[in-house]
Amino acid sequence: QQQVKQSPQSLIVQKGGISIINCAYENTAFDYFPWYQQFPGKGPALLIAIRPDVSEKKEGRFTISFNKSAKQFSLHIMDSQPGDSATYFCAARGGADGLTFGKGTHLIIQP
Amino acid sequence: GAGVSQSPSNKVTEKGKDVELRCDPISGHTALYWYRQSLGQGLEFLIYFQGNSAPDKSGLPSDRFSAERTGGSVSTLTIQRTQQEDSAVYLCASSLVRAGELFFGEGSRLTVL
Repeated sequence: QQQVKQSPQSLIVQKGGISIINCAYENTAFDYFPWYQQFPGKGPALLIAIRPDVSEKKEGRFTISFNKSAKQFSLHIMDSQPGDSATYFCAARGGADGLTFGKGTHLIIQP
Repeated sequence: GAGVSQSPSNKVTEKGKDVELRCDPISGHTALYWYRQSLGQGLEFLIYFQGNSAPDKSGLPSDRFSAERTGGSVSTLTIQRTQQEDSAVYLCASSLVRAGELFFGEGSRLTVL
């Protein structure tokens, strides 16, 4: 079964610090790796995404690092702010299942 | 509207009753997904519609759950004989193409007493 394993389940970071969330996958057919951000009471929304031919993608304070050989990718939030407090889901696309989500990371940024 | 619209936003029902949840996707989006999110948990895939193709029902947890999509647009998720374990937020998402960027609605929160 295709899976995307996400860690940690929850994370507390001080304001201004770096938040790091990791994901690992098995299926080498995955061809697109998005991250979704979900605020309480809202649906998830696309935050940033990467394709496996690129090792890093940066958008503002958010960076995806991708390690194809290790089949791992991670989200880094630089200068974390209280407004970044949310649940983050990694995902991977490919195969019959379409988009497979990780179980999510509940991030709290303490002021 | 510009986004995915879901109704009702909140539904409280008694155990054993049937409920219908509605999703109005973004116009022109051919793919439509239903997910279930229990309190503080991840996204559980339920069902996927792509154009006029037969839906992928592989995530439906039991035969009490069914969904349809009329005219390639609006979708209804029906839960028959609701149980307390059905209590969750039901999220609908649409995308322009299969497994492209998903646009989620705000969800329908179902509480089964």
